[in-house]
Amino acid sequence: EIVMTQSPATLSVSPGERVTLSCRASQSVSTNLAWYQQKPGQAPRLLIYDVSTRATAIPARFSGSGSETEFSLTISSLQSEDFAVYYCQQHNNWPLTFGGGTKVEIK
Amino acid sequence: QVQLQESGPGLVKASEILSLTCGVSNYFINNGYYWGWIRQPPGKGLEWIGSISHGGSTYYNPSLQSRVTLSVDTSKNQIFLKMSSVTAADTAMYYCARDRTFDMWGQGTMVTVAS
Repeated sequence: EIVMTQSPATLSVSPGERVTLSCRASQSVSTNLAWYQQKPGQAPRLLIYDVSTRATAIPARFSGSGSETEFSLTISSLQSEDFAVYYCQQHNNWPLTFGGGTKVEIK
Repeated sequence: QVQLQESGPGLVKASEILSLTCGVSNYFINNGYYWGWIRQPPGKGLEWIGSISHGGSTYYNPSLQSRVTLSVDTSKNQIFLKMSSVTAADTAMYYCARDRTFDMWGQGTMVTVAS
């Protein structure tokens, strides 16, 4: 089983700031890495898949990069609606696995 | 717009079987994709339970495999989750979602296991 580790657990940032979230895989997942956003009381929403492909209707301020075992999600200018928990997930191997999440909170 | 809707009992007694249904609208399951179940205990992260293809091929989380069975009824456009011998640790929000990159999610259904 591939273990996904996200860091940091919590990020305190101000609106307008640039934010980078990290995700590490215990072994290579090639480019089969997705990111999700979850707001309180809502189901997660797919933001990015295949490392860097934005899902439908996802704003361009969200971008993903990386390969093999090291990945990042960048939000270029944090908006108020972006305060949420973000999860990475590998879709390279069964079993599918998620990272523990990074909470982006208002500073 | 593809829609998924989970349904099932909100309360299950410990040691009994949890049964959930995921109904899919505006997309025929027969057309493809894997369909997955994911759960989230209160205040915690996401845990993949398992996935099933339109043809019935299944993959399970090894930590749950002995207690979980997924099935599909393409005539009803529904996916099913059965989990046996539930305990309080199975109390969670249960979601169904499409594909290995979960591009569509249901709203989730909260299941509480009572001792």
